[in-house]
Amino acid sequence: ETGVTQTPRHLVMGMTNKKSLKCEQHLGHNAMYWYKQSAKKPLELMFVYNFKEQTENNSVPSRFSPECPNSSHLFLHLHTLQPEDSALYLCASSHYSDSSGNTIYFGEGSWLTVV
Amino acid sequence: AQTVTQSQPEMSVQEAETVTLSCTYDTSESDYYLFWYKQPPSRQMILVIRQEAYKQQNATENRFSVNFQKAAKSFSLKISDSQLGDAAMYFCAYRRRNYGQNFVFGPGTRLSVLP
Repeated sequence: ETGVTQTPRHLVMGMTNKKSLKCEQHLGHNAMYWYKQSAKKPLELMFVYNFKEQTENNSVPSRFSPECPNSSHLFLHLHTLQPEDSALYLCASSHYSDSSGNTIYFGEGSWLTVV
Repeated sequence: AQTVTQSQPEMSVQEAETVTLSCTYDTSESDYYLFWYKQPPSRQMILVIRQEAYKQQNATENRFSVNFQKAAKSFSLKISDSQLGDAAMYFCAYRRRNYGQNFVFGPGTRLSVLP
């Protein structure tokens, strides 16, 4: 069992669809992240939220829309995606402060295929 | 900006042997954390070991140990008595102290363990 839970684990969507990825953390953290992992590319940070406030957006296209209603939940809303957006999307969480070395914990990822 | 480099895209090791994975990083900061994460085929990233830059002693965690060379900005991971379950992608990561959000990951090294 993981402290960071992502659903769905697999998603296939057409380019005109609208879908959402969900992430929930049970670790009492206050920072949450979305990363994109695709073949032959380094892990790409997409968004960071601290205490529900977005603190980083790494030039992510607007077809990806994050939402963080509270410190435990994070969503990634997807619409009009492109086939090159097919990837593993990883959610992660950590403490915002420097406590305990501030390790980042990851979920199992959501495999997204855009057809 | 900080960068993390892993110069070995792929490595292999014989079961029960020892292997060392390389990582170098670039930073102008003096106080930071370094991490090694493992991503097995299940895709969930798991923390292997963590090093605090202000500690000169190399971190160890059972069969995993690091060689931290601060002046050279080098942070290699040694896996002793390699097991089949060690086969995974290994990511080196950096985080500046007192800057909770900013985890920078390397491109990863794929480790194969040969029986």
